[in-house]
Amino acid sequence: EVQLLESGGGLVQPGGSLRLSCAASRFTFSNYAMAWVRQAPGKGLQWVSTITASATSTYYADSVKGRFTISRDNSNNTLYLQMNSLRADDTAVYYCAKGPSYISGWGQGTLVTVSS
Amino acid sequence: EIVMTQSPATLSVSPGERATLSCRASQSVSSNLAWYQQKPGQAPRLLIYGAFTRATGIPARFSGSGSGTEFTLTISSLQSEDFAVYYCQQYNNWPPGTFGQGTKVEIK
Repeated sequence: EVQLLESGGGLVQPGGSLRLSCAASRFTFSNYAMAWVRQAPGKGLQWVSTITASATSTYYADSVKGRFTISRDNSNNTLYLQMNSLRADDTAVYYCAKGPSYISGWGQGTLVTVSS
Repeated sequence: EIVMTQSPATLSVSPGERATLSCRASQSVSSNLAWYQQKPGQAPRLLIYGAFTRATGIPARFSGSGSGTEFTLTISSLQSEDFAVYYCQQYNNWPPGTFGQGTKVEIK
């Protein structure tokens, strides 16, 4: 079964930065596009960003474009999300997700709280 | 961007009864529709993809149907572990793979 383990969440002030990591195992990481999906407290799911298997293409939700950067290290089976210029409405649980279209594997999530 | 609308927002069902959840797309998504289940404090879990194909390990009481703009998730006989929030997601026009707002299935 797919295993995805996020880390890097925490409390950050508005305008600050945070880098999330996701360690992947039990599947061939380099063969799959990966994504980040977030969920604000008590709200639904929102797709954030996707990166193709070879990292040649990246895609972003309009709400994070220009502030967030997705990347990956296929040699270490790790996915990243660099988040800059954070705002209060970025507060959410961020899930690492396997798959470019439907999500066939989810991490347990890491909470990012943006507050002064 | 395609908008996904789920109904009802909350569904009250007794254990053993049938539950029918709806998902509507603002434009055709063909059969590129997935369903997820999320329990409190847990990550979502893939139930259905391709509108009707059950993911690995998903019980047969879960079934999906529909195409185009109208989709249904049916749980034939609700078990205690099925009370959760269910989301649909289109991935035909991607990115973004937009999600519905969710349907909460609660115990009646």
